[in-house]
Amino acid sequence: RKEVEQDPGPFNVPEGATVAFNCTYSNSASQSFFWYRQDCRKEPKLLMSVYSSGNEDGRFTAQLNRASQYISLLIRDSKLSDSATYLCVVNKGGNAGNMLTFGGGTRLMVKP
Amino acid sequence: DAMVIQNPRYQVTQFGKPVTLSCSQTLNHNVMYWYQQKSSQAPKLLFHYYDKDFNNEADTPDNFQSRRPNTSFCFLDIRSPGLGDAAMYLCATSIRTSGLYEQYFGPGTRLTVT
Repeated sequence: RKEVEQDPGPFNVPEGATVAFNCTYSNSASQSFFWYRQDCRKEPKLLMSVYSSGNEDGRFTAQLNRASQYISLLIRDSKLSDSATYLCVVNKGGNAGNMLTFGGGTRLMVKP
Repeated sequence: DAMVIQNPRYQVTQFGKPVTLSCSQTLNHNVMYWYQQKSSQAPKLLFHYYDKDFNNEADTPDNFQSRRPNTSFCFLDIRSPGLGDAAMYLCATSIRTSGLYEQYFGPGTRLTVT
């Protein structure tokens, strides 16, 4: 089993749609959770950190369920510019808290 | 603006010819990382520095070496590049903030091996 699992997609959605990505992680010691966005042939960019209570940043909402070891990202009112690969990222926990494990990414394509 | 800078952005080297990639940061972060990312794959950690302490991943080939002469700079040396080493090489930095180590990536160096 992979440490961080994501549906690779692609998710093809029309502009204005709401889309949700899910991610599961296997390391129960993980304490920090992130969503990164990566455009084609570019570096990953931090989209948002995920907090236990869930958090929202504009059209983006992230949620964490520690009991189920599950993280989600909801994008409302999709824009063409949201087309990218979304990486679910989890830290290793414990003394390796600064070490991250990346999921394989979920590709989103927003169509006009 | 504080940032992570990588040079060069594109590097072409010959099979077996040593190459050095560089990374610098103005964020004053104490942790620096080198990742290798191949097409359609997740970034793979090669090694990282926690301050001056070097940490090598168990599966990083000996062909890959790193140097961190000071807080701001970090280098990736590939001693004898093979065709399989063609990839994007990403440098990242982080510092502990409110219990989190958010990592910030440079734009990457795309390495081609001919």
